Order: sequence, then structure tokens, then C-alpha cells
Amino acid sequence: DVKVTQSSRYLVKRTGEKVFLECVQDMDHENMFWYRQDPGLGLRLIYFSYDVKMKEKGDIPEGYSVSREKKERFSLILESASTNQTSMYLCASSFNIGTSGSTDTQYFGPGTRLTVL
Amino acid sequence: AQKITQTQPGMFVQEKEAVTLDCTYDTSDPSYGLFWYKQPSSGEMIFLIYQGSYDQQNATEGRYSLNFQKARKSANLVISASQLGDSAMYFCAMSLNTGTASKLTFGTGTRLQVTL
Repeated sequence: DVKVTQSSRYLVKRTGEKVFLECVQDMDHENMFWYRQDPGLGLRLIYFSYDVKMKEKGDIPEGYSVSREKKERFSLILESASTNQTSMYLCASSFNIGTSGSTDTQYFGPGTRLTVL
Repeated sequence: AQKITQTQPGMFVQEKEAVTLDCTYDTSDPSYGLFWYKQPSSGEMIFLIYQGSYDQQNATEGRYSLNFQKARKSANLVISASQLGDSAMYFCAMSLNTGTASKLTFGTGTRLQVTL
């Protein structure tokens, strides 16, 4: 079974703090993704990575950065947390074979509910 | 641009009945995939079913089936014999191959409540 884990289920931080959210997958997937989920807005892609040290911006990258130093680990960084970054953060991973198909299926971690006070 | 539309914010169904959750999509790409995910109150997104744009038959996975109508650009999820454990948010998604990785575009979700 694919397993994606996230470092924390719940996190409370103060405005201005630097926040690290960690994600680890154990299926040797090339692709990893970070989303945020807000009520009524569905899931929105923040950043994704298609290889070690390779990353691309998603739909809402402002205020975030990412790091992928090892294939299995993808970190989301909030350089200076703000209250509007209070949200549910979901990490996912998938295979990459270069063509569309069922291997596009993304497998998700349990999520981190971040509150910024 | 790709878009996924789920028009039902909430649905109720009685236990053991079937229910259909609606999803329409918009894309100009001839090759795409359609997905349904379930999100229980615990928060984890659980993959349910996949349908490829070139697949001739509707996908099925146990009690889940995907009613794929390509000309109408719809990909409705049918859950047969509903169970209390099916109560959750359900999200429809579509894949887009960007050349580096396939990204998913999600709808806003439908909350399903199964009643006795």
C-alpha cells in the first residue's frame, strides 16, 4: 500500500513564525504535491515537485516555498506565517511516466490543520 | 483552462439506497483522466475510482461506478447500497499533463450524508 505521512496532524503557530510542514512517501514516487484546502474552495495546488531539487509553482504559491532534497521527502515552508495561511494542508504523491493515465492517481497524507494566531 | 464543477453542495441518501453525485468538466485536451476521492471527517483524501478519456467502458470499483458521458462532459459517481460509513465529502478531479507532471484540478466537493 502507498503510504504518505505528514509530520503533524495539528499545528498552532504565531504570526511571523517560520513554519515547516514535512511530507514523506514510501513508494518511490517521482511527483509530490502540496495543497491547501479551505471550505467552499476545494483543494488548491501550492507547489509540486517532479524530481529531487525540481519544483514548479502551482496556483497559489505566494507566501510559500518548498524543498525536495531527497526523493521521498517534500517540505512546505511558510517563511513568515500570517493568519490568512490558517488552513488544512495536504501532501500527495504520484508516479510519473510522462503520459496521462491511471498513474496520475495522487495518494494523499492525513493532512495538517495549521492555525496561525 | 480546465474546470471541474460539482453543483451539489450536500446530498442525503438512506442507507442501502443508491446515490449519484454529479460532476461536469471542461477541457480542450483530448487526453485526460477523471478521478473521485472521498474525504471523511478525519481529513485524509481517499482515492476511489479512475476513468480515462479513451476508456470505452465505465469504470467500476466495488460499490462505486463512474457514469462517464464524454459528449456531455460529465463523470458522475454512483454509490450503490449506501452505508453509514459512506458519509463524507466527495471530490471530483481531472488530470492535466503539464509535461513535467500530471496535475489534478479539483471540484469544490459534495457532502454526502447517509441516514438510517
